[in-house]
Amino acid sequence: GAVVSQHPSRVICKSGTSVKIECRSLDFQATTMFWYRQFPKQSLMLMATSNEGSKATYEQGVEKDKFLINHASLTLSTLTVTSAHPEDSSFYICSARDLRTGQNTIYFGEGSWLTVV
Amino acid sequence: QKEVEQDPGPLSVPEGAIVSLNCTYSNSAFQYFMWYRQYSRKGPELLMYTYSSGNKEDGRFTAQVDKSSKYISLFIRDSQPSDSATYLCAMSNTGTASKLTFGTGTRLQVTL
Repeated sequence: GAVVSQHPSRVICKSGTSVKIECRSLDFQATTMFWYRQFPKQSLMLMATSNEGSKATYEQGVEKDKFLINHASLTLSTLTVTSAHPEDSSFYICSARDLRTGQNTIYFGEGSWLTVV
Repeated sequence: QKEVEQDPGPLSVPEGAIVSLNCTYSNSAFQYFMWYRQYSRKGPELLMYTYSSGNKEDGRFTAQVDKSSKYISLFIRDSQPSDSATYLCAMSNTGTASKLTFGTGTRLQVTL
């Protein structure tokens, strides 16, 4: 079955530094990927929609310059948290849209825990 | 008011019980209704989806949608300890592979 891989699964970084999270679709091409953030005991909040070869579409209230998204290939999207602060500590999850014949569904990655100290 | 409301629980039931999980929503444009299961510190996995109103059954799981009341349910029969997880409802107005709006998730614990 389709698999979406996220890396790293856990990362700790110092306040003020940047950290990159990768999201890969392993056995299908994904022209669209989604990035979510989930705080403890809260729902997944969509941050942005990542489209291969074009700029990401950000949800209201999400800072484009802080959360940089790059979808340079059909199997890889990256989220870079720039100048991270402790309040950015969260669980970040990506999902990828599988549009192969008979599919048309979304698969989620395993998530990445970010802790900013 | 949140677009999707879901009781966060936790909900604790004995093994073999019937579990009822529910969500309410306010956006009448939602047409696709999904239930995801999320184990601790993992990404969600799709359990079931329903288009518009009605029921759908898959093994021990039954999903119900009542669009007139803006209310959806997931029933789990003969619950097992392995069902212990957080269950999230999700909704979309354009499809199951589109932008999704999630509930907060209900944490379920099935005890022996």
